[in-house]
Amino acid sequence: AQSVTQLGSHVSVSEGALVLLRCNYSSSVPPYLFWYVQYPNQGLQLLLKYTTGATLVKGINGFEAEFKKSETSFHLTKPSAHMSDAAEYFCAVAGSGAGSYQLTFGKGTKLSVIP
Amino acid sequence: DAGVIQSPRHEVTEMGQEVTLRCKPISGHDYLFWYRQTMMRGLELLIYFNNNVPIDDSGMPEDRFSAKMPNASFSTLKIQPSEPRDSAVYFCASSSSRRETQYFGPGTRLLVL
Repeated sequence: AQSVTQLGSHVSVSEGALVLLRCNYSSSVPPYLFWYVQYPNQGLQLLLKYTTGATLVKGINGFEAEFKKSETSFHLTKPSAHMSDAAEYFCAVAGSGAGSYQLTFGKGTKLSVIP
Repeated sequence: DAGVIQSPRHEVTEMGQEVTLRCKPISGHDYLFWYRQTMMRGLELLIYFNNNVPIDDSGMPEDRFSAKMPNASFSTLKIQPSEPRDSAVYFCASSSSRRETQYFGPGTRLLVL
């Protein structure tokens, strides 16, 4: 079984401040990890993903995430928040099992950016 | 590519009516997923298909829900009869292979009165 925990359902940062959204996962196999963003009244859009190789992954809009196996974490960061970053962010893990596939999502973290 | 296409974007219906949601995946993608999103439960996987065949429908909440994929470019999610607790946003997503990126459609906002 696999699961994702996102710490903090709501995070507020000032414009220009560091963004840090936390994600911890559990998986019985080496995971693929994803961060998606959802803007109001829209579908989910991929920000970045980790499959294998380099543990620091860069995505769109200046976001990046680091896979830390020892901490089972995949936290999302951005050095300087912009007003347009206000959205809901979902961490997801893809494990594997014989004959099955499932992408498990966290509950989401709503990011507010204060001007 | 146009991305994943869903219709209708909004649906308002009365309890007891049949509701059909439609999805066109990205051309060439072999996997299609149906999700439901609510405030209380977040994003839930309902069912997924591989090469038009349903693989895992363990997330389908009740027998009132059914999904089909008659060909590689079209899928439906049907609720019959609908109930107020089915009110949610329903997303369709597709991907090219297992564990790869899923591309989401814009969703269908369903309100059952």
